[in-house]
Amino acid sequence: DVKVTQSSRYLVKRTGEKVFLECVQDMDHENMFWYRQDPGLGLRLIYFSYDVKMKEKGDIPEGYSVSREKKERFSLILESASTNQTSMYLCASSIYPGPISYEQYFGPGTRLTVT
Amino acid sequence: AQTVTQSQPEMSVQEAETVTLSCTYDTSESDYYLFWYKQPPSRQMILVIRQEAYKQQNATENRFSVNFQKAAKSFSLKISDSQLGDAAMYFCAYRSATGATNKLIFGTGTLLAVQP
Repeated sequence: DVKVTQSSRYLVKRTGEKVFLECVQDMDHENMFWYRQDPGLGLRLIYFSYDVKMKEKGDIPEGYSVSREKKERFSLILESASTNQTSMYLCASSIYPGPISYEQYFGPGTRLTVT
Repeated sequence: AQTVTQSQPEMSVQEAETVTLSCTYDTSESDYYLFWYKQPPSRQMILVIRQEAYKQQNATENRFSVNFQKAAKSFSLKISDSQLGDAAMYFCAYRSATGATNKLIFGTGTLLAVQP
């Protein structure tokens, strides 16, 4: 079974803090993704990575950065957390070039509250 | 740019009955993939079913089936014999068949309640 894990289920941080969200996958997937999930907005892509040290901006990258130093690990960084970054953050991975399914496998999510 | 629309924020179904969740999308591409993902309460999102746009036959996975209408850009999910474990948030998603990355575009989700 593919396993995607995230470092924390719940996190509370103060405004202005630097926040690291970690994601690890154990299936040697090339692609990894960070989404944020908000009620009524669905999932929105923040950043994705298609290889080690390679990254691309998604739809809402402002206020975020990412790091992928190893294939299995993809980190989301909030340089200076703000209250509007309070959200559920989901990590996902997929294989590429992939079988026809192109399925993404998701982690359990991190619910971040910024006060 | 492609968009995915789920017009039903919430749905409810009686156990053992059938429910259909709606999804429409907008794209100028002819080749793409469509997905339904399920997110149970406090649990990880999992893939329910996928459809390749070049296939005319509707995908089916056990009690889950889709009605794919390419011309109408509609992709609904039918759940038959609903079970309590089907209660979840359901997301429709689109993926272009071109491009080097497996980027998905999600709808806003439909929260399905199953009544015993």
